[in-house]
Order: sequence, then structure tokens, then C-alpha cells
Amino acid sequence: AQTVTQSQPEMSVQEAETVTLSCTYDTSESDYYLFWYKQPPSRQMILVIRQEAYKQQNATENRFSVNFQKAAKSFSLKISDSQLGDAAMYFCARMNRDDKIIFGKGTRLHILP
Amino acid sequence: DTAVSQTPKYLVTQMGNDKSIKCEQNLGHDTMYWYKQDSKKFLKIMFSYNNKELIINETVPNRFSPKSPDKAHLNLHINSLELGDSAVYFCASSQGTSIDNEQFFGPGTRLTVL
Repeated sequence: AQTVTQSQPEMSVQEAETVTLSCTYDTSESDYYLFWYKQPPSRQMILVIRQEAYKQQNATENRFSVNFQKAAKSFSLKISDSQLGDAAMYFCARMNRDDKIIFGKGTRLHILP
Repeated sequence: DTAVSQTPKYLVTQMGNDKSIKCEQNLGHDTMYWYKQDSKKFLKIMFSYNNKELIINETVPNRFSPKSPDKAHLNLHINSLELGDSAVYFCASSQGTSIDNEQFFGPGTRLTVL
């Protein structure tokens, strides 16, 4: 089965510190998208960062960056200078070219003041 | 067994038509959702139902109407389809509305409006 695994159900980080959320996935495809979504209590899904598998360069969006290791099928999210507003559930997701998307179970991130 | 299923997987239709996308979950969950993923992969919540009652209704055109015949089903009906409705639509479910309840997503339905 093609899966997305987030091994950390919950994490905590001190405000202004750096935290890394891990994600591994399984796929037989060579071309696909990877995403990190942030979900606040409203259940809205906010796209944090995305990576196309054929691109070797790691995606970066302001304080958010990824460490994409294609051979290892790993896609971790690093949040630098954590802020209170970063507290949320974070979902890692993989989407194949046929649009089928698989989400991980999520990691709840707590920011400690 | 598929936990959250959607039909059809692909839907191609002409502008102006009316179409429905069906969602079913066999997890015994109380809460179901519809999300729309646009071409830039932004995933926006459209509706949420809890025990067949509408609890989230984001700014969505009136042409979109969710229908929940029972707790296990949340269908999305779209009237007078427009080109901008082309997207991938995802259904999801959870046991309760709390953010602590794990959310399960369906495989998506790609809608293409010509």
C-alpha cells in the first residue's frame, strides 16, 4: 500500500526555536507532488510548502523549509523562529500525477511561550 | 476496505451542466467535509456536516449544495457548472468536530469543465 507516515503525533517547541516535523512516504511513482498543510481548529487546510519530486532543490517559504530526500522517501518540514501562530496540526501529503492524494495522520505542534 | 470513498474519480462535463459527486465513509464518523484543491494545490474547506447538519459553510457560490442523506454520506451537487469549478474535490471525515479527532481523506474527484 502506498502510505504517508508521520511518526510524531505531537511535538512541542519553544517560541523562537527551530523544530523539524518528519514525514516518510511510499510510492512506486517517479513523479509526484509532496505537500505540507497546516490545519488550524477551523479545519481549513493552509498550504505551507510544496515540492515536486523531479526538483532536487529543497523548497523554501520564508521560515518554512523542507529536507527532501527522494531516495530515502523522506520529506521533513523545518520551521525556524517558531511563532505562537504556528501552533496547529500539520499534515504531510503526497499526490501522484493521477491526482490521488494520500495524507499522513498529522502532527500536532505546540508552541511554548 | 476503503475508509472514505468518492465517486466518480474523474468527471468531465460541459459548462452549464449540473453534476454531483458522492462521498461515503464506512468509519462510523459523525462529521464529514468537502474541500476544493485548485490548480496551485491550495486546499480550501467548503462545507462540513456533523450528524447531517451543516456546521461549516465557507464562502462558496450558491451553485454548490451539499446534501447529507445520512451520517455516512455527504454528496456535493453543483449547478450551472463554470470553467472555474475545474479542480480536484476531496471529501473527508472525522469522529466529531474537535481538531483532536483524526481526519481521513478520500482519494479525490477531478472535475474538468469544458
